[in-house]
Amino acid sequence: AQSVAQPEDQVNVAEGNPLTVKCTYSVSGNPYLFWYVQYPNRGLQFLLKYITGDNLVKGSYGFEAEFNKSQTSFHLKKPSALVSDSALYFCAVRRSGNTPLVFGKGTRLSVIA
Amino acid sequence: EPEVTQTPSHQVTQMGQEVILRCVPISNHLYFYWYRQILGQKVEFLVSFYNNEISEKSEIFDDQFSVERPDGSNFTLKIRSTKLEDSAMYFCASTAGGPKGAEAFFGQGTRLTVV
Repeated sequence: AQSVAQPEDQVNVAEGNPLTVKCTYSVSGNPYLFWYVQYPNRGLQFLLKYITGDNLVKGSYGFEAEFNKSQTSFHLKKPSALVSDSALYFCAVRRSGNTPLVFGKGTRLSVIA
Repeated sequence: EPEVTQTPSHQVTQMGQEVILRCVPISNHLYFYWYRQILGQKVEFLVSFYNNEISEKSEIFDDQFSVERPDGSNFTLKIRSTKLEDSAMYFCASTAGGPKGAEAFFGQGTRLTVV
C-alpha cells in the first residue's frame, strides 16, 4: 500500500526567505506525486506533479519540487516566500494513472512579514 | 477556467437523517472521486467512480454510503443514516483520465455537520 509522510506539522519562514516543505513517500512501482495547497475554508488547489522526466518540477505561484528516487522524497520549495503563501500544504501519491490519491497529513506553512 | 462545483457549501443534519451531497465535475472528465477531511486531520479517500460504476472504495465507504451519477453531469454522495462521526468536509474531485496520471481537480467542499 502507498503512504506519504510529511514530518513537519508547521513550518515558519520569514518573507523573502527560501522555504522547503518536506515529503517522503512509499509506493510500489513508479510513483505519481503531487502537491496541493489548501487555504482556509477552501478546497484543494493543485500546485504541481511529478510523473516522469526531469526531477525538478515547476508549478504554480513560483513553487517547485524535487523528486529524489533514492531518498523517496518529493520536497516542495520556493526561492522567496510571500506572506500570501501561508496555507496548508498536502503531498499526495497515487500508484498509477487514475487511482485514488493518498495524502500526507499536511504541513501548515506560516510566512511572517 | 473549468471547475468542480459542490452544493451545498454547508449542511447541518440530525443524526440518523439521510443527506445527499452534490457535485458537478469538469465536463470532459472521466474519473470521479469523493474524499473527506475531518477537522484538523488529513484528507481521506472514500470512493472512485468510472464508467458508471465504483472502481475503488476505502473501508470508510460502508453500506451507509452510496454514489450515483444520475444524469451524466451530477455526481452525488448519499449517506443513508448519518452519525456524529460523519461530520467532516467532503470533497469531490475529477480527473481527465489517461495513462499519464492527470491531476485531480477538487471542488470547494461541503461541510457536513451532524448534530
